[in-house]
Amino acid sequence: AQSVTQLDSHVSVSEGTPVLLRCNYSSSYSPSLFWYVQHPNKGLQLLLKYTSAATLVKGINGFEAEFKKSETSFHLTKPSAHMSDAAEYFCVVRSSGTYKYIFGTGTRLKVLA
Amino acid sequence: DSGVTQTPKHLITATGQRVTLRCSPRSGDLSVYWYQQSLDQGLQFLIQYYNGEERAKGNILERFSAQQFPDLHSELNLSSLELGDSALYFCASSGDRPTEAFFGQGTRLTVV
Repeated sequence: AQSVTQLDSHVSVSEGTPVLLRCNYSSSYSPSLFWYVQHPNKGLQLLLKYTSAATLVKGINGFEAEFKKSETSFHLTKPSAHMSDAAEYFCVVRSSGTYKYIFGTGTRLKVLA
Repeated sequence: DSGVTQTPKHLITATGQRVTLRCSPRSGDLSVYWYQQSLDQGLQFLIQYYNGEERAKGNILERFSAQQFPDLHSELNLSSLELGDSALYFCASSGDRPTEAFFGQGTRLTVV
């Protein structure tokens, strides 16, 4: 069965410094992986997706993620944090059988002025 | 705008009551998913429908049921409501290929 593990429940960074949100996945097959963001009292917005094309995936708002099969990781990065990046971030894997989306437990990103 | 519409946005009801949440998927998407987001449980997958048929079931209580209609909209029915059912309920839709799911803005249910 597929699953994702988000290694940090909370991450704090200063504005202008790099962001790293970590995600490991478990999958018997080549997975489809996604990062979603949820701002307070808002819905879920797709940041980026990996679907077995390029291993370095660029998303919206300057975010990117690298699929590393050898490490079973799909970490989300951004070179320079902005105050508006403060939100909860979810790593998601799509099940190969039923195609349901399996969410990690989320990482809450705090950006300090 | 994701193209997925959920109604109502907010719902306040009493314990023991029954409510229906509605979801209209993006045009052309055959799959609909329901998720429950609460503070203590995170984002929990409830159920998935594909073109009117149930495809996958997650942590859905027996008091909850769902269906997808011929026009592809879906309804989630929650009955005998308890205080612990208070949560944000999301609907999402997707196509068949390994594309992303598109989420609605959610229905915030408060049981008092």
